Amino acid sequence: RKEVEQDPGPFNVPEGATVAFNCTYSNSASQSFFWYRQDCRKEPKLLMSVYSSGNEDGRFTAQLNRASQYISLLIRDSKLSDSATYLCVVNMRANGQNFVFGPGTRLSVLP
Amino acid sequence: DAGITQSPRHKVTETGTPVTLRCHQTENHRYMYWYRQDPGHGLRLIHYSYGVKDTDKGEVSDGYSVSRSKTEDFLLTLESATSSQTSVYFCAISGGLREGNEQFFGPGTRLTVL
Repeated sequence: RKEVEQDPGPFNVPEGATVAFNCTYSNSASQSFFWYRQDCRKEPKLLMSVYSSGNEDGRFTAQLNRASQYISLLIRDSKLSDSATYLCVVNMRANGQNFVFGPGTRLSVLP
Repeated sequence: DAGITQSPRHKVTETGTPVTLRCHQTENHRYMYWYRQDPGHGLRLIHYSYGVKDTDKGEVSDGYSVSRSKTEDFLLTLESATSSQTSVYFCAISGGLREGNEQFFGPGTRLTVL
């Protein structure tokens, strides 16, 4: 089993749609969780950290379920500019740095 | 954007030649990382540093070495490049657990080994 797994994608959705990405991780001791977006031929950029209580930033909502070792990202009212690959990232070391990246899920928002 | 630069941005080299990639930060972050990204594999950690002269191996460290003589610079060296090291290399920095722990990435270096 891979340490961090994501929906294989790609997701092709119309503008205005709501889309959800799922991510599971293998190490129950993991402490930090993030969503990044990566545009084609660019570096990953932090979209949002994921907190235990869940958090929202505009159209984006992230949730964490520690019991199920599951993270989600919800994008509402999707825009053409949301087209990118979304990476789930988990720091698997409680007292250090061991960031493990999921393979990513590609999203295409269509006009 | 975090102040991270990578050089060179593109490089073509031949098998067997040494190659050094440089990562420079102006954020005074403690941690620095080198990743490679290949189709079908996502981002994989090569080496990371948790302070000046303090480094550790990542998932795919074979064939690579690193050095960090100053807080702001982290060098990745391929002692004898092979075609399997053709990839996009990303440097990243983070402040650590107390500073929020998020990683910020440089623009990447595209390396082709012929």
